[in-house]
Amino acid sequence: QSVLTQPPSVSGAPGQRVTISCTGSSSNIGAGYDVHWYQQLPGTAPKLLIYGNSNRPSGVPDRFSGSKSGTSASLAITGLQAEDEADYYCQSYDSSLSGSNVVFGGGTKLTVL
Amino acid sequence: EVQLLESGGGLVQPGGSLRLSCAASGFTFSSYAMSWVRQAPGKGLEWVSAISGSGGSTYYADSVKGRFTISRDNSKNTLYLQMNSLRAEDTAVYYCAKTVIVVVITADHWYFDLWGRGTLVTVSS
Repeated sequence: QSVLTQPPSVSGAPGQRVTISCTGSSSNIGAGYDVHWYQQLPGTAPKLLIYGNSNRPSGVPDRFSGSKSGTSASLAITGLQAEDEADYYCQSYDSSLSGSNVVFGGGTKLTVL
Repeated sequence: EVQLLESGGGLVQPGGSLRLSCAASGFTFSSYAMSWVRQAPGKGLEWVSAISGSGGSTYYADSVKGRFTISRDNSKNTLYLQMNSLRAEDTAVYYCAKTVIVVVITADHWYFDLWGRGTLVTVSS
């Protein structure tokens, strides 16, 4: 059971917009900790997609955007492309745990129809 | 080129030990915290451990505290993870990750901006 909750899967047709939610609590996202997003293409290592809730590293297309409100965050992908098919993970920090301060969501598999 | 390259994975029996290494290049290694993050087969990501740039501070997930030890050699640009008393549930791909820690008054913000390809650790008899 992950500290951050994501839907197991989402899907969309090419060109469409999809969103992936990440729900936390008052000890992590709701406490003001930033949310970060990673993309993991099949058989590869994760890659930083969004940091600090809504910032894109150099090289990440502006089709990817992030937002945060209250105890939740969202990743939006517009103009869906076949190469976006991957697993997506949110990550934050938690102040209630004794040692496992860095927390991830369980991951969301994006299928491009 | 900025990159991280893990090594040292393999098959080990329950109760055994293994040491992972991560060679860094292309950035000032000693200026950054580093972490290990693992992913069990078919599962999600789990943060394991982190170490400050100087090596003076270390952090562990509860699941590995007392069994794993993180360390670094800044003269060799290399990160290590010593894993003892290994269990079947430690089976995973282990990634090293360059860790950005933003310290503000209200909260610390951690994220991972560079990942290695990973090394597979299998704990089985």
